[in-house]
Amino acid sequence: DGGITQSPKYLFRKEGQNVTLSCEQNLNHDAMYWYRQDPGQGLRLIYYSQIVNDFQKGDIAEGYSVSREKKESFPLTVTSAQKNPTAFYLCASSNELGGLAGHEQFFGPGTRLTVL
Amino acid sequence: AQSVAQPEDQVNVAEGNPLTVKCTYSVSGNPYLFWYVQYPNRGLQFLLKYITGDNLVKGSYGFEAEFNKSQTSFHLKKPSALVSDSALYFCAVRDGRNTPLVFGKGTRLSVIA
Repeated sequence: DGGITQSPKYLFRKEGQNVTLSCEQNLNHDAMYWYRQDPGQGLRLIYYSQIVNDFQKGDIAEGYSVSREKKESFPLTVTSAQKNPTAFYLCASSNELGGLAGHEQFFGPGTRLTVL
Repeated sequence: AQSVAQPEDQVNVAEGNPLTVKCTYSVSGNPYLFWYVQYPNRGLQFLLKYITGDNLVKGSYGFEAEFNKSQTSFHLKKPSALVSDSALYFCAVRDGRNTPLVFGKGTRLSVIA
C-alpha cells in the first residue's frame, strides 16, 4: 500500500449525509482512480482523473463526486443521492504520462463505509 | 469494449501442489494484462503484468502467468502453493488506448495445509 494513503479506514454515515473520503499519493503519478468493491462483484470504477483539474465518470458515477485540484490529492464525496453506499472504497494511482498504458496501478489500503 | 472473465469464484488446492487461477479477456486492440492479489481488508497488491515480449511472465512471490493470444487467456500459476497464498486474486486488462483498467470479479484461492 506504500505511497498512497486513504483516510479514514472506517467511516460511518447516517442516511442523508454527504461524506468525503480522502486519497493522497506521494508517487508523483498523473492518473488517479476511485473504485468501489462489493462482495462477489469485483472492482467497479467510479471516477478517474488523468491530469489535474480534469476527471471522467466511470461505470458507476451516479451519487458520487470528485475533484482534482492538486496532483497528489483526489477526494471522493459520497452524496445522499447514492442509494446504497455501504461498500469498501479503493483509491489507486499510476504513471500514465503520454498515454502509457503499461504501468501498473498502485492501490491505497481502502476505506470501509457503512451507512447506519 | 474491454472485458475480463474469471470463471472460478473459488479455487482450493493443497499446500505444495501447483495452482492455477484462470483468466480470459476481450479487447479490441493489443492487451495489457495484470494480476493483483488482495488480503482481507487491504488494498490490492500488484503481482505481474504482460505488455509485450515473452508469453511467460514471472512476478512476485513465485507467481507466473502465461499469455495465450489464440485462447485470449492469461492464467496465473505457481508451481508449489503455500498456505500464505490464500487470498483474493484479480485479473485486469486494458487495450492501451488511454482507457482505465477493467477488473474481473476475482477468484478466492484457498490453500489447505
